[in-house]
Amino acid sequence: DVKVTQSSRYLVKRTGEKVFLECVQDMDHENMFWYRQDPGLGLRLIYFSYDVKMKEKGDIPEGYSVSREKKERFSLILESASTNQTSMYLCASRRTGGAYGYTFGSGTRLTVV
Amino acid sequence: QKEVEQDPGPLSVPEGAIVSLNCTYSNSAFQYFMWYRQYSRKGPELLMYTYSSGNKEDGRFTAQVDKSSKYISLFIRDSQPSDSATYLCAMSAAGNQFYFGTGTSLTVIP
Repeated sequence: DVKVTQSSRYLVKRTGEKVFLECVQDMDHENMFWYRQDPGLGLRLIYFSYDVKMKEKGDIPEGYSVSREKKERFSLILESASTNQTSMYLCASRRTGGAYGYTFGSGTRLTVV
Repeated sequence: QKEVEQDPGPLSVPEGAIVSLNCTYSNSAFQYFMWYRQYSRKGPELLMYTYSSGNKEDGRFTAQVDKSSKYISLFIRDSQPSDSATYLCAMSAAGNQFYFGTGTSLTVIP
């Protein structure tokens, strides 16, 4: 069964901490994405990557960075966590081409206190 | 103006009812349309995919696209309690970046 695996389901971090969210996919997909999901705001794209070592800013990149050193792994980094980054974080991957949908991970619920 | 608008609901229907979920959009270049289902505390999963205008049917689910009105719909026939979830529409112009609606919460009451 193909899947996208996010390393943590729940995380609690303190304000100012550096936070790493890890995502691994086993489908050999070229494209990987990080979204955050908030009530009433839906899914908002933070960063995406079309290839190894390549990254593009999404709609809300401020306060975040990413790393893609290997095709199967895409990491989201919160440089200095703040309470307004409390959210559900969803990683997704997809094959290049219009006919392919996203495969999402189960999400990481991050709480910053 | 948001790229994609979706009524958040919540929508509550009795078991067996026909459910209609809708999204409107502003970008006439959108040609790839998808519906995702998201159960509580889970990631979204792809339910239906449609390219350009027209209808697509898969079991109890029918997706419709009306590009002239910039309006897409998902119909669920004979709704079941297991259909209780949040439904998100997503669409794209060139098949690279997809824009999501905020989701409609659906509860099917036994």
